[in-house]
Amino acid sequence: NAGVTQTPKFRILKIGQSMTLQCTQDMNHNYMYWYRQDPGMGLKLIYYSVGAGITDKGEVPNGYNVSRSTTEDFPLRLELAAPSQTSVYFCASTEAGERELFFGEGSRLTVL
Amino acid sequence: QKEVEQNSGPLSVPEGAIASLNCTYSDRVSQSFFWYRQYSGKSPELIMSIYSNGDKEDGRFTAQLNKASQYVSLLIRDSQPSDSATYLCAVKRSGNTPLVFGKGTRLSVIA
Repeated sequence: NAGVTQTPKFRILKIGQSMTLQCTQDMNHNYMYWYRQDPGMGLKLIYYSVGAGITDKGEVPNGYNVSRSTTEDFPLRLELAAPSQTSVYFCASTEAGERELFFGEGSRLTVL
Repeated sequence: QKEVEQNSGPLSVPEGAIASLNCTYSDRVSQSFFWYRQYSGKSPELIMSIYSNGDKEDGRFTAQLNKASQYVSLLIRDSQPSDSATYLCAVKRSGNTPLVFGKGTRLSVIA
């Protein structure tokens, strides 16, 4: 049981490039989330999903896109990377909204 | 107005003392409250959850909730250097609405 797996762990992008952060969970959780965490700050919600085929915007969705075609996978797409997207990205999942969130190890992205 | 507010710290306490971490929230219909611990460079992990007014104890940790005052706190008794981390308060309405996190309080336990 691997839990929540994120790839890549580290990535450097040039301004204007695009990439996808992968997130997969093997706990059969319906709820999945993408957060970003800037230095010294809390977690800001980018997008979330309450089940396959359903996604919704969080607090800071601009510059990102998501899809949820399966229960297991919830990739985050960055289009036209900007320095403001330099951050640590965490994917998380839970079986129900009021339950514990399980986090991946994070993906550290730098945009230069 | 920020939805979930925490003092960013750092909060420094000597080893063996009680550490008191506080959190206020603005949404009166919030139903679920969580404390997550995050070590530097790591992902957050759940420490405590609390859903009703009063105290909830788990080992050295006690969560306290006062919905009338919109206030939730975390007490750590017999603090250890291994408790040094950032503690994130998170609040949730009922249903499918996602968690809202505070900025976290950095705790430093001095040996």
